[in-house]
Amino acid sequence: GENVEQHPSTLSVQEGDSAVIKCTYSDSASNYFPWYKQELGKRPQLIIDIRSNVGEKKDQRIAVTLNKTAKHFSLHITETQPEDSAVYFCAASRIPTFGRGTSLIVHP
Amino acid sequence: SQTIHQWPATLVQPVGSPLSLECTVEGTSNPNLYWYRQAAGRGLQLLFYSIGIDQISSEVPQNLSASRPQDRQFILSSKKLLLSDSGFYLCAWKTSGGRIQFFGPGTRLTVL
Repeated sequence: GENVEQHPSTLSVQEGDSAVIKCTYSDSASNYFPWYKQELGKRPQLIIDIRSNVGEKKDQRIAVTLNKTAKHFSLHITETQPEDSAVYFCAASRIPTFGRGTSLIVHP
Repeated sequence: SQTIHQWPATLVQPVGSPLSLECTVEGTSNPNLYWYRQAAGRGLQLLFYSIGIDQISSEVPQNLSASRPQDRQFILSSKKLLLSDSGFYLCAWKTSGGRIQFFGPGTRLTVL
């Protein structure tokens, strides 16, 4: 089955800085890569996704890049704000399989 | 529009007691349904998924079981809870041909 590794487990940045979270996957047949944001005590919610026929996708301050050859994809958040503080999960495959999460802390 | 419900929202159970968590989806037919567990400060562990009534796939062998008695109902059960079963249980759904997964509000289970 699919195996997804996510790094770092914790990321602390100052407001206004950029944040990058990286994931690798094992199954070359995976063709869909969503990212979820989970605020404390709440359910995960999709924030952006990318399909395997696209190398990059952007939505305002959030972007995702995909390198199918290397089997890794990344989440980029620019101009971070305190409300970006949450746990972020990457996932791969249709079932899907999730990474272990990154706790992002944005200091005002 | 589609909605997903989980019941109960919180639960405190003694070790060795049974468990039944319910998930229902409204506004869609033949959804794919999923049960995840999230231990404190940990990731999302897929427990079961179902592509149809009475079609259940188990991802992790343990003392939990799942059933899908109706198209839009997914139930997670245990005959005897362990301390390690404590966590945040999330149900999720997506359309059979779709990609985006939507999560329910979750059930927070504490086993004492």
